[in-house]
Amino acid sequence: SQTIHQWPATLVQPVGSPLSLECTVEGTSNPNLYWYRQAAGRGLQLLFYSVGIGQISSEVPQNLSASRPQDRQFILSSKKLLLSDSGFYLCAWSVLGVFGANVLTFGAGSRLTVL
Amino acid sequence: SQQGEEDPQALSIQEGENATMNCSYKTSINNLQWYRQNSGRGLVHLILIRSNEREKHSGRLRVTLDTSKKSSSLLITASRAADTASYFCATGPRQSGGSNYKLTFGKGTLLTVNP
Repeated sequence: SQTIHQWPATLVQPVGSPLSLECTVEGTSNPNLYWYRQAAGRGLQLLFYSVGIGQISSEVPQNLSASRPQDRQFILSSKKLLLSDSGFYLCAWSVLGVFGANVLTFGAGSRLTVL
Repeated sequence: SQQGEEDPQALSIQEGENATMNCSYKTSINNLQWYRQNSGRGLVHLILIRSNEREKHSGRLRVTLDTSKKSSSLLITASRAADTASYFCATGPRQSGGSNYKLTFGKGTLLTVNP
């Protein structure tokens, strides 16, 4: 069966420090991978998605970046965190299904607090 | 920008009652999905309805879709305290070839079911 792992679960970082959140998927090949951010009391904002190794699509310009060094590994990074980067970060994967339906399976999330 | 908008933002009911949540969206879609999120956790997929379907059932869940009004509703019948969670609609855009990689989420409805 497929599983998704996301870590760390909780992170407290000072402004200006770097960030690295990691996500790995097991039990499937060539998944679509996603990073979403959820601010307090708000919906999910799509940050990045990837349909293959080295292929990254950015949805929102900001000081975050994403990389996919391996088929089932997706990393979210920042060189210098801002206060506004605080939030709940969710990794997800999918495989396009029948009629192009794209059902996402989410990780447990990483809560980032920037102080 | 958010594609889906859920209504109401919050809903509080008693156990055994039915809960209805609505979602409106703006552009043509391939499918619409509903997800559930327990506090501080990742999202879990509940049900998907394709653009050529009008109604779909899964257990105590009933989803309707009106593409002419660009709206959907999620009905949870005979609610339980364990149904307490946030519920999000998500839309997959209609792309050429029928495939879509981006899923856009609304801000969600917080459902509280009181025992």
